[in-house]
Amino acid sequence: GQQVMQIPQYQHVQEGEDFTTYCNSSTTLSNIQWYKQRPGGHPVFLIQLVKSGEVKKQKRLTFQFGEAKKNSSLHITATQTTDVGTYFCAGDNDMRFGAGTRLTVKP
Amino acid sequence: NAGVTQTPKFQVLKTGQSMTLQCAQDMNHNSMYWYRQDPGMGLRLIYYSASEGTTDKGEVPNGYNVSRLNKREFSLRLESAAPSQTSVYFCASSSNLRLAGGLYEQYFGPGTRLTVT
Repeated sequence: GQQVMQIPQYQHVQEGEDFTTYCNSSTTLSNIQWYKQRPGGHPVFLIQLVKSGEVKKQKRLTFQFGEAKKNSSLHITATQTTDVGTYFCAGDNDMRFGAGTRLTVKP
Repeated sequence: NAGVTQTPKFQVLKTGQSMTLQCAQDMNHNSMYWYRQDPGMGLRLIYYSASEGTTDKGEVPNGYNVSRLNKREFSLRLESAAPSQTSVYFCASSSNLRLAGGLYEQYFGPGTRLTVT
């Protein structure tokens, strides 16, 4: 079945530093979604990417979908303490979520 | 609107006991899902229901059964709980099924933290 690998597993940054998490699939994806889960909370939908090479921005967050539609990235510029949480990608083909990247931010 | 609600929030079971986790959504969504979340393993799909009256297995269905009682409600049953089923269980819904290549975001409930001793 489809495997969605996410790296890194953990990332600790100083507030103000940038952060990037990567999602890689073994097969071509029809689309990819990103979710954020705050500590003790539930996943919340952030965005969906559909087109090859697509780039979308939400304030300090930039999402990219690779040209081959096999990988995606989420980049946060100038992290804030409110960015703390685990970021998951999910490939649409068979609903497999990546294991997530847990972000901690030191004030 | 409450969105997706789950009961109970916490549960402790002994090995071999049975229980049902309840989930309801008030968004008139057709599709509903059950996931389990274990540390370091992300979310894994247990069962899903594309629409009222249909259910299908996900990635990890063994040891579980589900019932789509009506359009609003989707329950998950553990017939004989095992320590390996200790996890956080999330119910989710979407306007339509995602596995068919649909482009629908999922809305998650608050989760049920289950411990089996």
